Amino acid sequence: QKEVEQNSGPLSVPEGAIASLNCTYSDRVSQSFFWYRQYSGKSPELIMSIYSNGDKEDGRFTAQLNKASQYVSLLIRDSQPSDSATYLCAVKAGYSTLTFGKGTMLLVSP
Amino acid sequence: EAGVAQSPRYKIIEKRQSVAFWCNPISGHATLYWYQQILGQGPKLLIQFQNNGVVDDSQLPKDRFSAERLKGVDSTLKIQPAKLEDSAVYLCASRLGRGALTTDTQYFGPGTRLTVL
Repeated sequence: QKEVEQNSGPLSVPEGAIASLNCTYSDRVSQSFFWYRQYSGKSPELIMSIYSNGDKEDGRFTAQLNKASQYVSLLIRDSQPSDSATYLCAVKAGYSTLTFGKGTMLLVSP
Repeated sequence: EAGVAQSPRYKIIEKRQSVAFWCNPISGHATLYWYQQILGQGPKLLIQFQNNGVVDDSQLPKDRFSAERLKGVDSTLKIQPAKLEDSAVYLCASRLGRGALTTDTQYFGPGTRLTVL
């Protein structure tokens, strides 16, 4: 059974700090990796996708992928209170559907 | 571009009653998903449609849940009879791609929050 593991948190960081969110997955053939942000009471919103080993940067967000270690992470630089949300890691292998982790709650204090 | 539409937004029923949810995906999106998200969990896929055909329903509790996507556009998800453990948010998502390996984005609707008493 495919599993995606995330620390449920909450992860608390002060405003302006770097938030580091981590995710591990069990299916070695996974090919596509996604980070979704979900505000309380709202639906998930895609913020980053990554498909190859290394780093991918988009504004304040950096996704990092290490397929050998089956590990994907999301860094948020200059964290803002508006970044406070639950971050969901999702993994996809070929023709399969997305498998989501339980999410990590991030709290950014002013 | 209009997003994924869902209704109702909230529903409260008693156990053993039936309930139906409706989803209208983004225009032109071939792939439609229904997810169940229990509080504190990530979304769990219930069923995936490609046009009006079922691609994956391996996690759908078929003794009580059913879903259809007639004409390959909008979709309904039904629960009959409901149990207490069905209390969750039911999310509909759609994706443009017609191929399983495409990397295009899944867009989620606002969800229907179901409470079973």
